[in-house]
Amino acid sequence: AQRVTQVQPTGSSQWGEEVTLDCSYETSEYFYRIFWYRQLFSGEMVFLIYQPSFDTQNQRSGRYSVVFQKSFKSISLVISASQPEDSGTYFCALSELYSNTNKVVFGTGTRLQVLP
Amino acid sequence: GPKVLQIPSHQIIDMGQMVTLNCDPVSNHLYFYWYKQILGQQMEFLVNFYNGKVMEKSKLFKDQFSVERPDGSYFTLKIQPTALEDSAVYFCASSSGQGGATGQLYFGEGSKLTVL
Repeated sequence: AQRVTQVQPTGSSQWGEEVTLDCSYETSEYFYRIFWYRQLFSGEMVFLIYQPSFDTQNQRSGRYSVVFQKSFKSISLVISASQPEDSGTYFCALSELYSNTNKVVFGTGTRLQVLP
Repeated sequence: GPKVLQIPSHQIIDMGQMVTLNCDPVSNHLYFYWYKQILGQQMEFLVNFYNGKVMEKSKLFKDQFSVERPDGSYFTLKIQPTALEDSAVYFCASSSGQGGATGQLYFGEGSKLTVL
């Protein structure tokens, strides 16, 4: 069964600091993808970055990167040089690559506030 | 980027009435999803749909819920009859499936449903 856990309900940082948001997951599959989304206060969901399970290299996209610890089924999102505009709720999501149903399961989210 | 459109953005109805939420997914996407979110918290999977069929539904997808996409038009979520606990924001999402570049979901901006 797919399950995603985000144990930090909230987080905060100061402008310019690096922020790390944690996510753990459960899956019995070998091939899967982990996605990170940010939900703006308007409700809009913005795709940030994804990590395929078969790639051992930590993915990067602009100021976003991940720390992927496959053996621990853990993946952290790292935001470098955080800005107030990065405030919002961050969701981690899991998709099993060869699933019969293509279901995507989300965690409970971490609400981040970046202070000026 | 690609857009998912949801209509209406907000609907207020009396308990027991029927409501239909409409979603215009990204063209050429094959997988369609509905998620339920209450008070900006967890994005909870309701159902996904492919090739005219429900692929998987969660326990939240009650018997009063149904989905369809007649003749490639809107992907709809119908609730009949509605209950107070159906008040939430419903997000539609679509993806090209695992064969796509990332398999990421593209989200609409949500339909806020208030049941009185």
